[in-house]
Amino acid sequence: NAGVMQNPRHLVRRRGQEARLRCSPMKGHSHVYWYRQLPEEGLKFMVYLQKENIIDESGMPKERFSAEFPKEGPSILRIQQVVRGDSAAYFCASSPWDGTYNEQFFGPGTRLTVL
Amino acid sequence: GENVEQHPSTLSVQEGDSAVIKCTYSDSASNYFPWYKQELGKRPQLIIDIRSNVGEKKDQRIAVTLNKTAKHFSLHITETQPEDSAVYFCAAFGGSNYKLTFGKGTLLTVNP
Repeated sequence: NAGVMQNPRHLVRRRGQEARLRCSPMKGHSHVYWYRQLPEEGLKFMVYLQKENIIDESGMPKERFSAEFPKEGPSILRIQQVVRGDSAAYFCASSPWDGTYNEQFFGPGTRLTVL
Repeated sequence: GENVEQHPSTLSVQEGDSAVIKCTYSDSASNYFPWYKQELGKRPQLIIDIRSNVGEKKDQRIAVTLNKTAKHFSLHITETQPEDSAVYFCAAFGGSNYKLTFGKGTLLTVNP
């Protein structure tokens, strides 16, 4: 059973470009979470999604950021018109759901650098 | 919303000593408390977790204690080894909102 996959692992963008980060959850996991980690800081929750539904996006900036988890394919975190402050490591995590909360398994992260 | 405070931010111990990291949380509805270990440049990995119906849990050299009344929980690592060196994050999962709130992390250094 492959773990959580993220790609690309490293992404370089110039200010004003778009960044698109992909996350494939573990097989059988229907819940996906995105986190942002700034250098030498903790993980900040951004958004929680189930298939075709955004459950909680309270940690995601209202402008330029969007997320989706379509019926088919990976979850995508999209950042439009990137700025230097968007440089960070973006981790996604997935978990199964059996009526209770379960462990979140993290992907390897995408390190975004905005020049 | 939930707020998780973690102390200390850095901790240096000699190999073989014990290490203790403490966290407090604010939302009394939180009911799941995992601890993650993150090595430099790698993903966070769960090392131990505890649910609110249990006061203590142990797994070999690692233990976690939970005091629901005081709203704090602690990670205990005994007989530390250099490979325990990493950043450790505590987190709390609230009953009313389905997200993990993380502490800011503790950089543990185990000196040989």
